[in-house]
Amino acid sequence: DVKVTQSSRYLVKRTGEKVFLECVQDMDHENMFWYRQDPGLGLRLIYFSYDVKMKEKGDIPEGYSVSREKKERFSLILESASTNQTSMYLCASRDELPGYEQYFGPGTRLTVT
Amino acid sequence: GENVEQHPSTLSVQEGDSAVIKCTYSDSASNYFPWYKQELGKGPQLIIDIRSNVGEKKDQRIAVTLNKTAKHFSLHITETQPEDSAVYFCAATDSWGKLQFGAGTQVVVTP
Repeated sequence: DVKVTQSSRYLVKRTGEKVFLECVQDMDHENMFWYRQDPGLGLRLIYFSYDVKMKEKGDIPEGYSVSREKKERFSLILESASTNQTSMYLCASRDELPGYEQYFGPGTRLTVT
Repeated sequence: GENVEQHPSTLSVQEGDSAVIKCTYSDSASNYFPWYKQELGKGPQLIIDIRSNVGEKKDQRIAVTLNKTAKHFSLHITETQPEDSAVYFCAATDSWGKLQFGAGTQVVVTP
């Protein structure tokens, strides 16, 4: 069964902290994505990766970075967390070509105080 | 870039009635239109998708229609059941093959 897992369901961090969100997929997918979900705004793409060590900015990359050292793992990094980064973060993976299903993880609810 | 608008933002229906959610997109090059369902505490899950060479697709109580000329597509749920209560997202591929999502529709099915 297809699976995308995220390291934490809930996370509370303080302003200025460095935050790591981890995502692992077991489907040998080429593409992986990080989104943030906010009420009334839908899902917005932060970064995506189409191969190991490759990354591309999405629509809202400011304040975030990513790392993909292994095919199955894609990490989202908040270098210095701020309160406006309080949100639900969703990881997804997809086989190589557009038009294939994206599989989502359960999400990490991050609160920055 | 691609812009996807979704309406309504909330939809309340009686069990057994039909629900319709509408989306419009801006990029005429978009060619893939999935619909995702997100239940409380879970990530979105694909429920149906349609490609630009097809006008309609049906899967049991769920159907999607696509009008490429007008750049809009719709999700139809017939004979709604309480388990259909969830947030539904439409999406369209942009010119880079990435998905652009609508803002979501909260569907509430009341018994």
